[in-house]
Amino acid sequence: GAVVSQHPSWVICKSGTSVKIECRSLDFQATTMFWYRQFPKQSLMLMATSNEGSKATYEQGVEKDKFLINHASLTLSTLTVTSAHPEDSSFYICSARAGARVTEAFFGQGTRLTVV
Amino acid sequence: DAKTTQPTSMDCAEGRAANLPCNHSTISGNEYVYWYRQIHSQGPQYIIHGLKNNETNEMASLIITEDRKSSTLILPHATLRDTAVYYCIVRVEQAGTALIFGKGTTLSVSS
Repeated sequence: GAVVSQHPSWVICKSGTSVKIECRSLDFQATTMFWYRQFPKQSLMLMATSNEGSKATYEQGVEKDKFLINHASLTLSTLTVTSAHPEDSSFYICSARAGARVTEAFFGQGTRLTVV
Repeated sequence: DAKTTQPTSMDCAEGRAANLPCNHSTISGNEYVYWYRQIHSQGPQYIIHGLKNNETNEMASLIITEDRKSSTLILPHATLRDTAVYYCIVRVEQAGTALIFGKGTTLSVSS
């Protein structure tokens, strides 16, 4: 299957700082990418849908000014957690669609963010 | 997307078949049944999907009842590496929309 790579795999940052997470589709172009967040022992929660060249669509309850999403190219989307706080500590996962079919949605390996 | 109901957890002995059920009584005619799994601290992995007929691939088999109101994912010979959370998702094929995950079933395979 297609490969989606996230970087970094884990990051520890101080409260109040910003953290950028990258999501790359390595062998295909992705017009749409999705960002999820997962707290311990919970399921994945969709945060936003990112379309190349346009503004991201955020799910209800997700602060767009806090979680900045940029999808400037067909192979790269970034999620920036601004002014991070301990409650933002979570597992962030991206997904990229290689085509129209659901089975063409591939997931990154996730990024573990810890805010201290 | 139709709602799904899965048991919270299941246990399975290594080498035995793991049968994971999923209820989707409100499924509509154009909705597929998809199964994904998530091994601890990794992204979800696609396993299999089907519409009406039973399906089999190198990872698993999917049995869908004739009325399509429930399905079973079968891992024929579970290994320790199959320990994961398994998600049953029912939805139409639709470009540009995200997969929505429920709570899934935590499968624990032990030796």
